[in-house]
Amino acid sequence: DQQVKQNSPSLSVQEGRISILNCDYTNSMFDYFLWYKKYPAEGPTFLISISSIKDKNEDGRFTVFLNKSAKHLSLHIVPSQPGDSAVYFCAASSDNYGQNFVFGPGTRLSVLP
Amino acid sequence: SAVISQKPSRDICQRGTSLTIQCQVDSQVTMMFWYRQQPGQSLTLIATANQGSEATYESGFVIDKFPISRPNLTFSTLTVSNMSPEDSSIYLCSVGGLATQGWNEQFFGPGTRLTVL
Repeated sequence: DQQVKQNSPSLSVQEGRISILNCDYTNSMFDYFLWYKKYPAEGPTFLISISSIKDKNEDGRFTVFLNKSAKHLSLHIVPSQPGDSAVYFCAASSDNYGQNFVFGPGTRLSVLP
Repeated sequence: SAVISQKPSRDICQRGTSLTIQCQVDSQVTMMFWYRQQPGQSLTLIATANQGSEATYESGFVIDKFPISRPNLTFSTLTVSNMSPEDSSIYLCSVGGLATQGWNEQFFGPGTRLTVL
């Protein structure tokens, strides 16, 4: 039973446009969410996080939105760049100390020049 | 963030043998974790490596199969024992609780790609 779902295994976007990556979760105890980016042959890189007391967190071109009632979060990348092409993982935790993250299956983003 | 290195970066092993993967961090960290990413799947937490005590394993993972050492705050090893082809995976070390970061972020090493024949 997947507690964190990313229903789109892949997404293609034109350079300069917005990329929207979605993530749904089932465990209502989750209160901290992270997005990671992973290039081939590298470890995941932390991108942005949001806690349940917020509904939006922005860092440069990256914005994460959280809808607690829908148990849904999304990552927006604006404008998308070819270097953003990677696999994006959503992760969720109910643990304040950074343990026990549950990862989604990932979405492969391709930004086309 | 910390610089995390893993050795080896990749290996091809025979069934029934064991492989020890090393994880080195360039600063002292409280939390170290070991993950597995099987082909086409997401990251799964194997265990939390505790300094000075036995590792804490997640459901489905046992110490006999994945013994872990954590002799100090900058180093940990994961051994994949009595390997079978099903153990072919990427094994990732991660750290959390860095002094300059919030507790909640984890940072990952580059991973070790293991293929078992």
